Amino acid sequence: NAGVTQTPKFRVLKTGQSMTLLCAQDMNHEYMYWYRQDPGMGLRLIHYSVGEGTTAKGEVPDGYNVSRLKKQNFLLGLESAAPSQTSVYFCASRRQGSIYEQYFGPGTRLTVT
Amino acid sequence: GIQVEQSPPDLILQEGANSTLRCNFSDSVNNLQWFHQNPWGQLINLFYIPSGTKQNGRLSATTVATERYSLLYISSSQTTDSGVYFCAVVNTDKLIFGTGTRLQVFP
Repeated sequence: NAGVTQTPKFRVLKTGQSMTLLCAQDMNHEYMYWYRQDPGMGLRLIHYSVGEGTTAKGEVPDGYNVSRLKKQNFLLGLESAAPSQTSVYFCASRRQGSIYEQYFGPGTRLTVT
Repeated sequence: GIQVEQSPPDLILQEGANSTLRCNFSDSVNNLQWFHQNPWGQLINLFYIPSGTKQNGRLSATTVATERYSLLYISSSQTTDSGVYFCAVVNTDKLIFGTGTRLQVFP
C-alpha cells in the first residue's frame, strides 16, 4: 500500500514549456486535491476532484488544468509555465465523508526559470 | 472567504521547553485540523479538533469555536518537533490552511 505518490519529485522548466504532474493513490479514495505551497503562504488549493471524471476550481486555479480520467489518478497540467508557478506542489486524497483524513503525497518541487 | 491566521510565524526553542501555537479564524467553522510538516516536507495530520481539547503524548490542542481560535501546545519539546505547524479549517469539501508557524528546536 503506497498511499499517495507524486511524479516527478523535482523538475526545472523554462518559461513557456509545458508539463504534467501525476498524482496516484491506491486507497480507492473519491476525493483528490492539488495544492501549491509558497514560502510564508501555507498551502493553497489549485483544483480538486470529488470523483472520477469530475474537477472543480480551488483558490488559485489560473494557469493550471486538471484531469481525473481514472479514480486513482489526478493530473495537474501547466500549459505554458511562468516563473510565478515556481512552487512545491502537493497532492492529497481522502474518502468521501472523511474531510479530516486527508493523506498527502511527498510533494513535487518545480522551478520555472 | 474564511481567513486563517497563525502566530507566531517563527519560534526557536531549546530542547525541553514548552510552547503554544495559536490559530485564529475569521468565521464560524465546524472543523479544524492541525498538521505538522517535517523538515523533509511530509505533511502529517496531528489533530482533528472542531471543539474542546485533545491530547496525544506531548502534544495537545484546544479549540474554542465560539471565540474562533485554536491552540496547539507542545510540551518538553524535542528536536524531532522541528518543522512547520499548520492549522486548517474545513470549508465544504476543502481545507483552508493558515500560513504556518515554523518551529526550530535546538539541542
